[in-house]
Amino acid sequence: AQKVTQAQTEISVVEKEDVTLDCVYETRDTTYYLFWYKQPPSGELVFLIRRNSFDEQNEISGRYSWNFQKSTSSFNFTITASQVVDSAVYFCALTLDFGNEKLTFGTGTRLTIIP
Amino acid sequence: NAGVTQTPKFRILKIGQSMTLQCAQDMNHNYMYWYRQDPGMGLKLIYYSVGAGITDKGEVPNGYNVSRSTTEDFPLRLELAAPSQTSVYFCASLTLQGLDGELFFGEGSRLTVL
Repeated sequence: AQKVTQAQTEISVVEKEDVTLDCVYETRDTTYYLFWYKQPPSGELVFLIRRNSFDEQNEISGRYSWNFQKSTSSFNFTITASQVVDSAVYFCALTLDFGNEKLTFGTGTRLTIIP
Repeated sequence: NAGVTQTPKFRILKIGQSMTLQCAQDMNHNYMYWYRQDPGMGLKLIYYSVGAGITDKGEVPNGYNVSRSTTEDFPLRLELAAPSQTSVYFCASLTLQGLDGELFFGEGSRLTVL
């Protein structure tokens, strides 16, 4: 069975600081997909990124970056120069096979950016 | 293009009552899902469907039923509401692009059972 661990339950940083959210996953399969979702206080789930297991290249999107390391089974998410609007709960998730397998979510990390 | 639409957004039920959470998507997606999110927790899969007429149980199906008579609609039925079903429910649909895809979520339905 798959498992996603987000050990950081809550993180608070002062605005403009950088912050990294950790995600560690467990699976025996060699093909899998990893995700990050953002859940702002309004409650909806906002898709941030999808990564498949064959692509270990790190990705940068504006102030967001993701570090995928198969050697440590981690898919960490870094926000550079944090802003108050980044305050949200962030979920990491994994699936083996779209459609036939469920998306396994971590328990989330609540990020608070202090002005 | 409305995406995934859930109704109602909020509902309070008494123990033993029944209700249906509606979910509709206008993207012609075959795959649809119902998740529940308990306070401070990640999402857990209740039921899913790979196409009209086909449904299957997820991780936490007890106390729920679903149907998928059309591609667009995937309602979730609670027959005898219990306090343990107090949660936020998310419907999602999936588009596949080869071996890859993207999951689109609705805005959630907050259910309280008293």
